[in-house]
Amino acid sequence: GNSVTQMEGPVTLSEEAFLTINCTYTATGYPSLFWYVQYPGEGLQLLLKATKADDKGSNKGFEATYRKETTSFHLEKGSVQVSDSAVYFCALAGYSSASKIIFGSGTRLSIRP
Amino acid sequence: KAGVTQTPRYLIKTRGQQVTLSCSPISGHRSVSWYQQTPGQGLQFLFEYFSETQRNKGNFPGRFSGRQFSNSRSEMNVSTLELGDSALYLCASSLASQGKADTQYFGPGTRLTVL
Repeated sequence: GNSVTQMEGPVTLSEEAFLTINCTYTATGYPSLFWYVQYPGEGLQLLLKATKADDKGSNKGFEATYRKETTSFHLEKGSVQVSDSAVYFCALAGYSSASKIIFGSGTRLSIRP
Repeated sequence: KAGVTQTPRYLIKTRGQQVTLSCSPISGHRSVSWYQQTPGQGLQFLFEYFSETQRNKGNFPGRFSGRQFSNSRSEMNVSTLELGDSALYLCASSLASQGKADTQYFGPGTRLTVL
């Protein structure tokens, strides 16, 4: 079945450092891929998405490119801020069950001032 | 436009009891999905309702059930509560065009504690 594997956390970085959170997936067909973010005490917010191979999703300085050849969707940001501290979830949704999202285990990110 | 709302935000129950959680989707959204979030299992899909019908279902026992009303509001029910049911229950709504991964918008969740 479909699954998502993402980098174990926690990840701790200094402000303005470069961020990469790795994510790979297993799926049949052509899933849509997502990154969601969860701030402390809140629900999930969609950060970015990509619906086909080679698409790049971007939002708030974060980027991720849908790589079908490596089945990856790594999250990157060039310069992180303290306000980026949160838990990040990589996720996918298959064509036949678009509303059923499969989530990775989440990566907790902490940014030091 | 108001976001997804969930009530109650916090709930404490004892083993063996049952509980009903409520979710109001964004206006115009016809699909409501439910997820369970626990430290051990992470985020797991429970079920999805669209036009008052269950359209997708995850791998949860029959104690977990749901329904959707004609105004798209949804409820989920858990009967005979177990300690392991303690979790954050998240509801998400979307326009849900068939076969298209519309953006799902999540509510703040209901934190259920089973004692």
